[in-house]
Amino acid sequence: TQLLEQSPQFLSIQEGENLTVYCNSSSVFSSLQWYRQEPGEGPVLLVTVVTGGEVKKLKRLTFQFGDARKDSSLHITAAQPGDTGLYLCAGAPAKTSYDKVIFGPGTSLSVIP
Amino acid sequence: NAGVTQTPKFQVLKTGQSMTLQCAQDMNHNSMYWYRQDPGMGLRLIYYSASEGTTDKGEVPNGYNVSRLNKREFSLRLESAAPSQTSVYFCASRGFEDSPLHFGNGTRLTVT
Repeated sequence: TQLLEQSPQFLSIQEGENLTVYCNSSSVFSSLQWYRQEPGEGPVLLVTVVTGGEVKKLKRLTFQFGDARKDSSLHITAAQPGDTGLYLCAGAPAKTSYDKVIFGPGTSLSVIP
Repeated sequence: NAGVTQTPKFQVLKTGQSMTLQCAQDMNHNSMYWYRQDPGMGLRLIYYSASEGTTDKGEVPNGYNVSRLNKREFSLRLESAAPSQTSVYFCASRGFEDSPLHFGNGTRLTVT
């Protein structure tokens, strides 16, 4: 059982649709990060959320950190084929070393033109 | 702008063989990490090093050893490879808490 759960595991949508992916845990995290990974490459950071209830926007992407700091969501508006990739949430549980960064299993997104 | 460099990129081992995966970063980062990635499992933390001279177990440390040789280099050793260790291995580093993890391009390891 992984400490960070993500849903859905797979998502295939048409270009222009909206979507939300979720990252959940039973543990509190001091912060959560979202990464995107493309095939054959390492993950690349999209955003870090630190404060409970925080909302951050990055162009068409909106990230939210839950009030209790146990969950986060990523909403994409008007998805484009370039959004295709594996979306991963990551963080260090609050009761462990802040260097112990773990990842969720990821959501694989496919945007069809 | 090399960032994080991993070697080798590909490796095939027979069961029982040993090997060392090398990782070096040129960003003067304090923390370094080894992850493995399997289909549907995201990245699982094997070992990490918060600073030069320290190493700690992650989520899946069994069957692996690490060495933080200096601030730049963090190696991962498989003493007796098993088919269950077939995976893609990623090294990463970061400078401080909440800063981005910077990843290498991965090592694809197959154990037959």
